[in-house]
Amino acid sequence: GAVVSQHPSRVICKSGTSVKIECRSLDFQATTMFWYRQFPKQSLMLMATSNEGSKATYEQGVEKDKFLINHASLTLSTLTVTSAHPEDSSFYICSATLAGGSIGELFFGEGSRLTVL
Amino acid sequence: GENVEQHPSTLSVQEGDSAVIKCTYSDSASNYFPWYKQELGKRPQLIIDIRSNVGEKKDQRIAVTLNKTAKHFSLHITETQPEDSAVYFCAARRVQGAQKLVFGQGTRLTINP
Repeated sequence: GAVVSQHPSRVICKSGTSVKIECRSLDFQATTMFWYRQFPKQSLMLMATSNEGSKATYEQGVEKDKFLINHASLTLSTLTVTSAHPEDSSFYICSATLAGGSIGELFFGEGSRLTVL
Repeated sequence: GENVEQHPSTLSVQEGDSAVIKCTYSDSASNYFPWYKQELGKRPQLIIDIRSNVGEKKDQRIAVTLNKTAKHFSLHITETQPEDSAVYFCAARRVQGAQKLVFGQGTRLTINP
């Protein structure tokens, strides 16, 4: 089946630093990837939709200058949390859909737990 | 945009009994409705999904029903087991145009031995 790999799985950083999270589709091409954030005991909230070769589409209330998304190839999207603060601590999960697919299923990465001190 | 409401937020049932979780959606153009099981600190796992051209789908102890007119879909788990304890999320999306997947608020299911 389709596999999405996310790295790192855990990261701890100091306040004010930037953190990059990678999301890779290992055995398929993904024209579209989605980035979600999940706070403890809450649902997955979509942050942005990432399309290969174009600018990401951000959801209302998500700062595009703080959460930089790059989707440079059909198998890689990155999320950079810039100038991280403790309130950015969360579980970040990416997902991808098959290029040209009509099935509907999304494939999720393992998630990255960010802790900002 | 799409909005998905999920109830109940918590559900506790005795082992062997059935559990039902219900969701409603707002976008009549949504045509793909997955259900996910998520364990603490893990990624969501797809347990069953249904498309808008089908009213019901079953996979062993798990079934999903869809009422397009009412924009309502439900997850049914029969003969519940302790390992069914987890958080369950419903979701909805339009497949065409790679539209985003919108999640419900989640249901914490506890199976009591």
